[in-house]
Amino acid sequence: DVKVTQSSRYLVKRTGEKVFLECVQDMDHENMFWYRQDPGLGLRLIYFSYDVKMKEKGDIPEGYSVSREKKERFSLILESASTNQTSMYLCASSTPHEQYFGPGTRLTVT
Amino acid sequence: DAKTTQPNSMESNEEEPVHLPCNHSTISGTDYIHWYRQLPSQGPEYVIHGLTSNVNNRMASLAIAEDRKSSTLILHRATLRDAAVYYCILRGLYNQGGKLIFGQGTELSVKP
Repeated sequence: DVKVTQSSRYLVKRTGEKVFLECVQDMDHENMFWYRQDPGLGLRLIYFSYDVKMKEKGDIPEGYSVSREKKERFSLILESASTNQTSMYLCASSTPHEQYFGPGTRLTVT
Repeated sequence: DAKTTQPNSMESNEEEPVHLPCNHSTISGTDYIHWYRQLPSQGPEYVIHGLTSNVNNRMASLAIAEDRKSSTLILHRATLRDAAVYYCILRGLYNQGGKLIFGQGTELSVKP
């Protein structure tokens, strides 16, 4: 079974903190994605990566950066967390036809 | 990738079939039709996809209209565990493995 794991299910951070969200997949997929999900706005793509050290902006990259040093790991970084980044963050990896999602990290910024 | 239109919500009774519709009138000839679902407090999961012909797998069936402007996801016998938000997504041939654009989906509730 494909597994996508995320480092935390719940996270509480203070405004201005640097936040790292980690995602690991065990199926040797080249493509990985970070989405955020908010009520009424659905899932929106933040960043994605097609290969190690390669990244592309999604629809809402502002305030975020990513890192992909190894194929199996894709990290989302909030350089200076703000309250409007309180959200559910979902990581995914992909074959040509299927995306596999992790369980999500619910981040609260106070 | 073209847009899709789905009803906001649907209700079903347990053990009855459920037909979830999706309209995609601007679909192009190379767009695949994908369905995902998101159970409460979980990430989305892949359900099924197709191009022109109807498709069946262990989770569901996908019926695609002849003109491909609409499709229907069929759950043959709904269970309480099928209560979820179902997303119909078009994905271009040259976007295989690429990003998905999620709409609002259809929230399916299943009554015992």
